[in-house]
Amino acid sequence: DAKTTQPNSMESNEEEPVHLPCNHSTISGTDYIHWYRQLPSQGPEYVIHGLTSNVNNRMASLAIAEDRKSSTLILHRATLRDAAVYYCILRRGGTYGQNFVFGPGTRLSVLP
Amino acid sequence: DGGITQSPKYLFRKEGQNVTLSCEQNLNHDAMYWYRQDPGQGLRLIYYSQIVNDFQKGDIAEGYSVSREKKESFPLTVTSAQKNPTAFYLCASSMERGLEQFFGPGTRLTVL
Repeated sequence: DAKTTQPNSMESNEEEPVHLPCNHSTISGTDYIHWYRQLPSQGPEYVIHGLTSNVNNRMASLAIAEDRKSSTLILHRATLRDAAVYYCILRRGGTYGQNFVFGPGTRLSVLP
Repeated sequence: DGGITQSPKYLFRKEGQNVTLSCEQNLNHDAMYWYRQDPGQGLRLIYYSQIVNDFQKGDIAEGYSVSREKKESFPLTVTSAQKNPTAFYLCASSMERGLEQFFGPGTRLTVL
């Protein structure tokens, strides 16, 4: 399975945009890019996903590089509630997600 | 409200005892998953099930067993053969070939 690489930690100020990077240089053509986040002592929650085009939803935006070897999760205005571990995951299309690989993720701290 | 429930939230057991963690979902999802998370680490897949009466080993199935007799339920048994059972256990579910996994709140198991 293709792997992803993320920074261990990042810091942001409240109400400023946050750009969380993810490298996935071995991504295949049918791999979807997923982002989940996990608050302390809770289960992960889905944030966003995409295949080739940039995506927006109420939580965040996902910018995917043209060669698909990297992507960036964008939180437009960070709040204290956005402090969490963010996971970038690749999922092969047509599967149930049994090949989700949750690496250590990026721990985002939001400063008031 | 639809969702996934895991019980109990905290569980303590003596070394050498088997223990069963509960996972129930009312989302009418076909697929269910069990993950293990150790402190500061990502999630690792233990078992998954795509349909009733069928399940597959994940990356770290040794010392664990599961059953899937009903669509809504996917209990995980941590056996005495699991050498390091103390961890945070997360259950998830997804629609058939769905793109999003929904996670429960987790059970923190401590073996004394």
